[in-house]
Amino acid sequence: GAGVSQSPRYKVAKRGQDVALRCDPISGHVSLFWYQQALGQGPEFLTYFQNEAQLDKSGLPSDRFFAERPEGSVSTLKIQRTQQEDSAVYLCASSLARQSDTQYFGPGTRLTVL
Amino acid sequence: SQQGEEDPQALSIQEGENATMNCSYKTSINNLQWYRQNSGRGLVHLILIRSNEREKHSGRLRVTLDTSKKSSSLLITASRAADTASYFCATESKDSSYKLIFGSGTRLLVRP
Repeated sequence: GAGVSQSPRYKVAKRGQDVALRCDPISGHVSLFWYQQALGQGPEFLTYFQNEAQLDKSGLPSDRFFAERPEGSVSTLKIQRTQQEDSAVYLCASSLARQSDTQYFGPGTRLTVL
Repeated sequence: SQQGEEDPQALSIQEGENATMNCSYKTSINNLQWYRQNSGRGLVHLILIRSNEREKHSGRLRVTLDTSKKSSSLLITASRAADTASYFCATESKDSSYKLIFGSGTRLLVRP
């Protein structure tokens, strides 16, 4: 069956540009997560949605980062006025249950800010 | 900041040998999960062990959990070149039963 998909797979942005990263979770999955993975490191939590409600955004690095999931399915992570330190792989994951469940990850979007 | 520390950071073994990776964490957990990541690709879930479990098997994988020492190990038996990847442990803490906190990973190279 279809897994979690993300687009674009690669994005190059000039410093100061806005970017939007898309995540299509597994159909029917209630929970959706965004993580940021720097080179050579493990992923770090950014934000969590339960259906359309954003229940935790404690990991977002600054107010330039914004995420939404308006219909409880597809999610978009937006980064405004990108900076070089935003360069990373952004991973999306979804899980069937509301908590304590296996998270299934997408392939990620590699963002490079020049 | 990341919760876990993984040991070793890198491991190189011959095909057919066993590979053992260790993970330590800091807080009380609901469960601990192991993931594999091939170069430039997403994370693949391997196994989940709950805090009331001590050992779990899945194919060539064996995971142990010692909550008193806040540590876990992943054993891959009879390794194959295709096992070459980075392996991450991730914990779900009792304080927030959804988000995963990842370690820094072990980079495994299996030489054919």
